[in-house]
Amino acid sequence: KQEVTQIPAALSVPEGENLVLNCSFTDSAIYNLQWFRQDPGKGLTSLLLIQSSQREQTSGRLNASLDKSSGRSTLYIAASQPGDSATYLCAVLEGAQKLVFGQGTRLTINP
Amino acid sequence: GAVVSQHPSWVICKSGTSVKIECRSLDFQATTMFWYRQFPKQSLMLMATSNEGSKATYEQGVEKDKFLINHASLTLSTLTVTSAHPEDSSFYICSAREGNRVNQPQHFGDGTRLSIL
Repeated sequence: KQEVTQIPAALSVPEGENLVLNCSFTDSAIYNLQWFRQDPGKGLTSLLLIQSSQREQTSGRLNASLDKSSGRSTLYIAASQPGDSATYLCAVLEGAQKLVFGQGTRLTINP
Repeated sequence: GAVVSQHPSWVICKSGTSVKIECRSLDFQATTMFWYRQFPKQSLMLMATSNEGSKATYEQGVEKDKFLINHASLTLSTLTVTSAHPEDSSFYICSAREGNRVNQPQHFGDGTRLSIL
């Protein structure tokens, strides 16, 4: 059974810092991996999607990497801003064609 | 970009009431839609996969008679929570997959907060 783990569970950093969020998964047989952002009481906003054949994706200040063989992904956020405060979820699309989510990292950027 | 609309965003009702939640893909056709449930400070758990024109596939432990899913068109899936009780209170989120390929992205609605008194 696929399990997705995100570390840390919560992170608080001053504005302007670069930071890394981590995601690991137990079964490397995945179609793709997605990073989402969720604001309190809201749905999910897709940030980056990395197909299994890809190593990384970039969008603005965000960069996500994927090492499928080791079951790891990282989300790098450059020059963090208070507006980046949210919960970040990692999810893998597994062989049974289901998205399996991690527990999320609750990120707070302090002005 | 692809937009998924979920309605209503918030429902408060009495125990024993049935509640219907709609999930619409506004600018694309979605053969497959998904229903998730999220408890406070927890992650999303897949409840069921909804396929247009056929019966939904439910995850283990999800009561199909309790959570009725209908996907009658390529742009609309509905989730009906029948005879809702306080333990059904949760945040329900739908998503729609764009296209037929498995690795196509899922686009998520804004969720429905269901509170059963």
